[in-house]
Amino acid sequence: GENVEQHPSTLSVQEGDSAVIKCTYSDSASNYFPWYKQELGKGPQLIIDIRSNVGEKKDQRIAVTLNKTAKHFSLHITETQPEDSAVYFCAATAGGTSYGKLTFGQGTILTVHP
Amino acid sequence: DGGITQSPKYLFRKEGQNVTLSCEQNLNHDAMYWYRQDPGQGLRLIYYSQIVNDFQKGDIAEGYSVSREKKESFPLTVTSAQKNPTAFYLCASRPIGTGVDNEQFFGPGTRLTVL
Repeated sequence: GENVEQHPSTLSVQEGDSAVIKCTYSDSASNYFPWYKQELGKGPQLIIDIRSNVGEKKDQRIAVTLNKTAKHFSLHITETQPEDSAVYFCAATAGGTSYGKLTFGQGTILTVHP
Repeated sequence: DGGITQSPKYLFRKEGQNVTLSCEQNLNHDAMYWYRQDPGQGLRLIYYSQIVNDFQKGDIAEGYSVSREKKESFPLTVTSAQKNPTAFYLCASRPIGTGVDNEQFFGPGTRLTVL
């Protein structure tokens, strides 16, 4: 089955700096890669996603890149703000008969210091 | 106001008791999922359901059971056979079809503590 590895497990940055979180996946059939943000005591919320036919996607201060050959994808947050502090999860799914099952990375605790 | 509701937010049970966690959605989504989250770990899939009256085991189904009698409801029972049930449980749903059919929407979660 799919295996997703996420690094780093914790990330501390100063307000205004950039933050990068990286994930690798094992199943070459995976074709959908969402990123979720989870605040303390709440359910995860989708912040951006990318499909395998696209190499990069951007939404304001957030961007995701995908390298299918190397089987890795990354989340980039620019101009970080204290409200970006949360746990971030990457995930992967193969679609089709996988029934949309997501395999999650272990999570990254991002702390943005004012 | 559409969304996924999970109740209760906090649940305490004695060891050896079965407990049922509620998950309801009014998004008209076909697929529903249950995940377990432990500190420092990602979400792990317990059970999922694509349609009413049908469900499949996920990666960690042992000690859990589910039912899907209605499209909008997918309750999870944590049985006494689950060796380490204390965790944060998350329910999710997903529309099936083209376009954004892969996106899963999560509920607020239920924190279960077994004493």
